Amino acid sequence: AQSVTQPDIHITVSEGASLELRCNYSYGATPYLFWYVQSPGQGLQLLLKYFSGDTLVQGIKGFEAEFKRSQSSFNLRKPSVHWSDAAEYFCAVVGDSGYALNFGKGTSLLVTP
Amino acid sequence: DAGVIQSPRHEVTEMGQEVTLRCKPISGHDYLFWYRQTMMRGLELLIYFNNNVPIDDSGMPEDRFSAKMPNASFSTLKIQPSEPRDSAVYFCASSASGERAYEQYFGPGTRLTVT
Repeated sequence: AQSVTQPDIHITVSEGASLELRCNYSYGATPYLFWYVQSPGQGLQLLLKYFSGDTLVQGIKGFEAEFKRSQSSFNLRKPSVHWSDAAEYFCAVVGDSGYALNFGKGTSLLVTP
Repeated sequence: DAGVIQSPRHEVTEMGQEVTLRCKPISGHDYLFWYRQTMMRGLELLIYFNNNVPIDDSGMPEDRFSAKMPNASFSTLKIQPSEPRDSAVYFCASSASGERAYEQYFGPGTRLTVT
């Protein structure tokens, strides 16, 4: 079954520093991959998606992600983190049942002054 | 658009009681998904509908859970009887058709506590 792994449970970054959140997928063909963000007490918001084509994908809020087939990875990046980026970040892949998503366990991002 | 609307936002009930969670998807969306989020299991799909028809309910834990979508603008998730292990945040999400079906828009969730 298609699945994703987020190796980091928590990450702390200083405001203004760069950010990279890791995501590894398990799937034979080209997967449909997503990054979502969840602020405390809120639902999930789609940051970006990858279906095919250009392996560097731009999203909202200044985020980008790069699909690397050789490493089975889809890491999320941001060049300069803002305090408002503190949230839970989820990587997801389309599951076996069609359109439903299989989510990773999430990475909690803390931004320090 | 108002986005996906869920009610109630919080629900506290006693074990054995019936619980009904409600969802109004974004107008014009063809797909509706119910997910559950817990610390132990993370986010997991319970069921999803396409044009009001259930497509995959393999994630529904057991017969105590049931979901309906009587029309394009309303869905319910019912738990009867509820148990403490059902305590979780339940999310509803909706999406459009075609390739846009993969772009799911989530509601704010219903936090359920069963005592």
